[in-house]
Amino acid sequence: EAEVAQSPRYKITEKSQAVAFWCDPISGHATLYWYRQILGQGPELLVQFQDESVVDDSQLPKDRFSAERLKGVDSTLKIQPAELGDSAMYLCASSSTPGLAGGFTDTQYFGPGTRLTVL
Amino acid sequence: GQQVMQIPQYQHVQEGEDFTTYCNSSTTLSNIQWYKQRPGGHPVFLIQLVKSGEVKKQKRLTFQFGEAKKNSSLHITATQTTDVGTYFCAGRNTNAGKSTFGDGTTLTVKP
Repeated sequence: EAEVAQSPRYKITEKSQAVAFWCDPISGHATLYWYRQILGQGPELLVQFQDESVVDDSQLPKDRFSAERLKGVDSTLKIQPAELGDSAMYLCASSSTPGLAGGFTDTQYFGPGTRLTVL
Repeated sequence: GQQVMQIPQYQHVQEGEDFTTYCNSSTTLSNIQWYKQRPGGHPVFLIQLVKSGEVKKQKRLTFQFGEAKKNSSLHITATQTTDVGTYFCAGRNTNAGKSTFGDGTTLTVKP
């Protein structure tokens, strides 16, 4: 069964350093999501791509976070500089249909996540 | 902005007892999805509800979508130890494509 791949699985960094996470969605999935999940909370959407275009980044802290999906396939999420409060699980998900309001079954398939610890 | 709230936050049951988690949205939803996250794992899709008043069943799991499309529930009959995990609802706003997740209900089952 196809899966969403993420790397690294774990990352420990010091504050003010730069970190980058990579995601490879399920082949053919046009929609890619980056979520941040703090322990004990639900996933919070950071950015949503439709192919190579950003369709929602309203919750992305743009002063330090950036995301790209240049060829509409894999994606990179970067944090520079990292802060203590950025410690969390960063989840990538993909779906085969656009996230449109309506009756589409747009199942989101999640990757294993990257656990970030900022010291 | 849209808020999705889930109750209870935690539920401890004896194996064989029933379990219910409730999800409430501050706005009308176009659809709602339910996910399960095992300890140390990632969210896994369970089901999507779209129609007002919709009820769907998956073996011992029953999912309901409220008539006003602002609330939903997940009921598990006769829980088993394999049901352990955190159950999240995710609501999609009628006017936007973004899904908002609740903070989940964590279920523990005592054998």
